[in-house]
Amino acid sequence: SQKIEQNSEALNIQEGKTATLTCNYTNYSPAYLQWYRQDPGRGPVFLLLIRENEKEKRKERLKVTFDTTLKQSLFHITASQPADSATYLCALDMMDSSYKLIFGSGTRLLVRP
Amino acid sequence: SAVISQKPSRDICQRGTSLTIQCQVDSQVTMMFWYRQQPGQSLTLIATANQGSEATYESGFVIDKFPISRPNLTFSTLTVSNMSPEDSSIYLCSVELNYPPYNEQFFGPGTRLTVL
Repeated sequence: SQKIEQNSEALNIQEGKTATLTCNYTNYSPAYLQWYRQDPGRGPVFLLLIRENEKEKRKERLKVTFDTTLKQSLFHITASQPADSATYLCALDMMDSSYKLIFGSGTRLLVRP
Repeated sequence: SAVISQKPSRDICQRGTSLTIQCQVDSQVTMMFWYRQQPGQSLTLIATANQGSEATYESGFVIDKFPISRPNLTFSTLTVSNMSPEDSSIYLCSVELNYPPYNEQFFGPGTRLTVL
C-alpha cells in the first residue's frame, strides 16, 4: 500500500540556519507533491506544489526538490526565523484523478532565537 | 484563495450522542473534503463531498457513522454519530478551488471534539 514517511522527531535549529525536512514515499508514483504548514490549533496552510516533471521549485525563502527516482522530496527553509516554527506536512495526490491527498505525519520544526 | 469557517470550534460530548459540524466557504467550490486529525497524528481523509453527488467515503469510514450533507456550493455538514471516546479528534474541512491555482487545498480551522 501507499506509504509516506516524514521524520517524526522534531527538528531543532538555530535562527539563520537552513532547515531541511524530508518526505519519503513508497509504492507510489504521484503526479505532484505538496507541502503544508500547520500551527497548533489551526488547519494546514498550503506552501508549495511541485509536479513530477519538476526537479525544484522556489518561493521566497522556501525551496522544494522532488526526486522521483529516490521517491523523496526535500523542503528547505533558508535564513530560518523563530516564526517558521511549526509542523510541516507533505501531501501526495492519490493517483486516481480524484484530487484527493494523502498526508504524511509531519515534522515539527523549532527555530531557536 | 478561500476563507473557510467551521462551527463549532470545539465541543465536549457524551458518548452515544451525535454532533454536526458545519463548514462554510466564502466562494463557490465543487470539491470539498472532510478530514480527521487525531492528537499528534496527520490528517486522514474521511470523505469527499462534491456538490451534486453523494459523498464518497474512504476505507474505514461509513455513511452511517459520518453522514455528510452538501446542499450547495458554499456549505457542508459532517455528523459524527453515536460517538465514543475513540471519536475524540480534530475534524477539518477543506476545499479545492474551481479556478486556478488547482490542486491546492484550503483548510478550515478545525473542530476539536472530545467525547467523554
